[in-house]
Parts: sequence; C-alpha cells; structure tokens
Amino acid sequence: QKEVEQNSGPLSVPEGAIASLNCTYSDRGSQSFFWYRQYSGKSPELIMFIYSNGDKEDGRFTAQLNKASQYVSLLIRDSQPSDSATYLCAVGGSQGNLIFGKGTKLSVKP
Amino acid sequence: DTEVTQTPKHLVMGMTNKKSLKCEQHMGHRAMYWYKQKAKKPPELMFVYSYEKLSINESVPSRFSPECPNSSLLNLHLHALQPEDSALYLCASSQARADTEAFFGQGTRLTVV
Repeated sequence: QKEVEQNSGPLSVPEGAIASLNCTYSDRGSQSFFWYRQYSGKSPELIMFIYSNGDKEDGRFTAQLNKASQYVSLLIRDSQPSDSATYLCAVGGSQGNLIFGKGTKLSVKP
Repeated sequence: DTEVTQTPKHLVMGMTNKKSLKCEQHMGHRAMYWYKQKAKKPPELMFVYSYEKLSINESVPSRFSPECPNSSLLNLHLHALQPEDSALYLCASSQARADTEAFFGQGTRLTVV
C-alpha cells in the first residue's frame, strides 16, 4: 500500500516566523510531488510542485525534495494569518493518480 | 487560466432522487478526476478519465455513475444515494497524468436527506 505521511498538527507559528511542513512517502519510484493549501470549506489549491531533488522557491514558499530519504517539505517564510489552512502533501502515483497525505493544519497567530 | 468550474456549488437531494454534478475545464487537459472529501479528511479518489476513457474506478458503488462526454466535460450522475454519501465532491484536471499538476474545481457540497 503506497502511503504519504504527514504530521496532522495543528502546527502553530507566530506571524512573521517560518512554518515548516513535512511529508514522507513510501513509494521509492514516485517522481512528482505537490503541496496543496485548503481553507476550511473550500477546495484544495495547488501552491507548489517539485519533480527534482533540491529546493524550489516561489515567493514566500520553498519546496524541498530528498528522494533518497523519501522526504518532501514546504517552508513558508514570513508567515501570515492568511496562511492558516490545512496543507496537503500529494505524490503522483504510478496508476495516474494522486496519493494524498492526511494534511497538516497550520495556524499562524497574529 | 487554471480554472475548473463545477456546478452546482450546493446540492440537497433525497435518497430517491436522481441528480448530476457537472465539471468543465478549458485548459486542454486530457485527464479528469472525481474525488470525494469528508470533513477533516483528505480527498479520496473515485474515478479517473484519461483521454475520455475511464482508467480508474476505485471500487465506487454503482449509485455513482461517471460520464465524460468530451475532453472538456465530466459529469457524475447520482441515484439512490445514502446520507453517508454527503460530502464535498471535487473535480480536478491535469495535462495527461496525475504526475503533472492537477487543478481542482471549487467543489459541490452535497447533502443527502
């Protein structure tokens, strides 16, 4: 059974701090990795994707991938209260589907 | 434009009703998906269409019937649902496979009474 694991949180950080969200996956053959943000009652919104080992930066967001350790992370710099949401890690499956983790709830305190 | 449009946004239906959920995308994507999401849970895959052909059916009960009339449209026909089927139903699309970026619609909040 291919799995994606995330700490469910809640993760609480003060405004302006760096939030670090982590995800591990079981399928060593996985090639594509995604982070979705989901506000309560809304649909998931794609915020980052990464396919190669290393870091990928987009504005305040940095995705990090380490295939050897089967680990992917999302860093949010200068966290804002509007970043408070559930963050879903997803991994591209071999059958042409996304395998989601259970999500980490982030709370940014003003 | 990364828009996937779902209608209706909200739906209340009785257990004997027949209704349909609709999804549309104009990004030229050739893979489309239906997911079901219960509160505080991740999205759960129901169906995958690839090039308008059903490629994955995750053992979904027959009271849910998908249809892909063309590459831009995806429907989910509902019949004889149960109260436990109440959930947020999400449509998504991606270029060809889910190992490329997938974009979600805003969802249909379904309540079965």
